[in-house]
Amino acid sequence: AQTVTQSQPEMSVQEAETVTLSCTYDTSESDYYLFWYKQPPSRQMILVIRQEAYKQQNATENRFSVNFQKAAKSFSLKISDSQLGDAAMYFCAYRSDGFSGLMGGNEKLTFGTGTRLTIIP
Amino acid sequence: DAGVIQSPRHEVTEMGQEVTLRCKPISGHNSLFWYRQTMMRGLELLIYFNNNVPIDDSGMPEDRFSAKMPNASFSTLKIQPSEPRDSAVYFCASTTETEPYEQYFGPGTRLTVT
Repeated sequence: AQTVTQSQPEMSVQEAETVTLSCTYDTSESDYYLFWYKQPPSRQMILVIRQEAYKQQNATENRFSVNFQKAAKSFSLKISDSQLGDAAMYFCAYRSDGFSGLMGGNEKLTFGTGTRLTIIP
Repeated sequence: DAGVIQSPRHEVTEMGQEVTLRCKPISGHNSLFWYRQTMMRGLELLIYFNNNVPIDDSGMPEDRFSAKMPNASFSTLKIQPSEPRDSAVYFCASTTETEPYEQYFGPGTRLTVT
């Protein structure tokens, strides 16, 4: 079974600075997907960024980017120019490719335990 | 699209009562997931459906929990009888049919069992 580890329960960063959240995972699969979800106090789970394992290029979404190291099984999230609205819990998640001849698009997400990010004004 | 819709948003009930949580997935999504979030256990999958058929219910805690998906636009998660340890936030999510199968979450139902 796959596992996802987030070793930083809490992080804080000064507004406008850059912060990196860590995530490692364990899998024997070669094809999979990785996600970062944000959960603000409203508790809504919001997708921040995704990475397909077969893509070598790191994903980027505006101020959010990832450092995907497949051999090291590492998937960190970098937030640049931090804003007060970035304060939230951040969850790293793993999804199998699901392309095994069975039904696709239905594989579950395995989540890490989350990192609480605080933005200091 | 309105996104994934869950009801109720909050539920407070007494131990022993039956609780039913409801979910309407995004139209056109063919997979639906029920997750539970607690401080102790984090986010955990309870059950998921594909084309209305339960695929994996290994995360369902015990027989007190049951889930149904009678059609593509509606699912329920029922707890009977409820216990205080069932207090949690329950999320429903649905997923696209195309790669990379992004899951869209509903706003969650906060359940409190006293």
